Amino acid sequence: QLQLQESGPGLVKPSETLSLTCTVSGGSITTTGYYWGWIRQPPGKGLEWIGVIYYSGTTYYSPSLKSRVTISVDTSKNQFSLNLNSVTAADTAVYYCARHVIGPYSSATDQWGQGTLVTVSS
Amino acid sequence: EVVLTQSPGTLSLSPGERAALSCRATQSVSSSYLAWYQQKPGQAPRLLIYGASRRATGIPDRFSGSGSGTDFTLTISRLEPEDFAVYYCQQYSSSPTPAWTFGQGTKVEI
Repeated sequence: QLQLQESGPGLVKPSETLSLTCTVSGGSITTTGYYWGWIRQPPGKGLEWIGVIYYSGTTYYSPSLKSRVTISVDTSKNQFSLNLNSVTAADTAVYYCARHVIGPYSSATDQWGQGTLVTVSS
Repeated sequence: EVVLTQSPGTLSLSPGERAALSCRATQSVSSSYLAWYQQKPGQAPRLLIYGASRRATGIPDRFSGSGSGTDFTLTISRLEPEDFAVYYCQQYSSSPTPAWTFGQGTKVEI
């Protein structure tokens, strides 16, 4: 059974870089047809898509976050990571890693990590 | 960028009643790329419907999705106590670059 697990600091100072890693178990991150990505949810608010990466390294980012986001992949560790720089309090959120499926007839985010709360505060 | 607007913001119903949740897009969305999720407090979202009308594995048949173009609907035929949650629609578009967007959510409460 596929599982995704986020890890990283729960507290980040303003203007610094938020870094999270997602470890995938029970399946390979190199399986074709799947993108691996990040979604966040500020406390009490809705879901915001951040971006995805394919195992080959191809990335796609939300236009609103593109200037501050980098997603990378380490296939040897079956992990992918998120870096978000120049953070402010507005970046405080639960960050989810998730598997995105894209096919000719459907697309969905079908597997999610449990989420990790990252607070931006001095 | 496609913007999804969900309505109503909150739906107050009783167990056994029917719920109809709306998701409208600012431009036409391929039915193949419209999905619905359920989120309960403290939990990650769970995929309910993909391809606008296909139930994900293990999803009860009281959940159904419909629609095309810019108007999509999630219907819960008879609400069970465990269905009270927040529901999000999501779309995928490959143009100009691949991206996903979510609606702002509809809360179904007792």
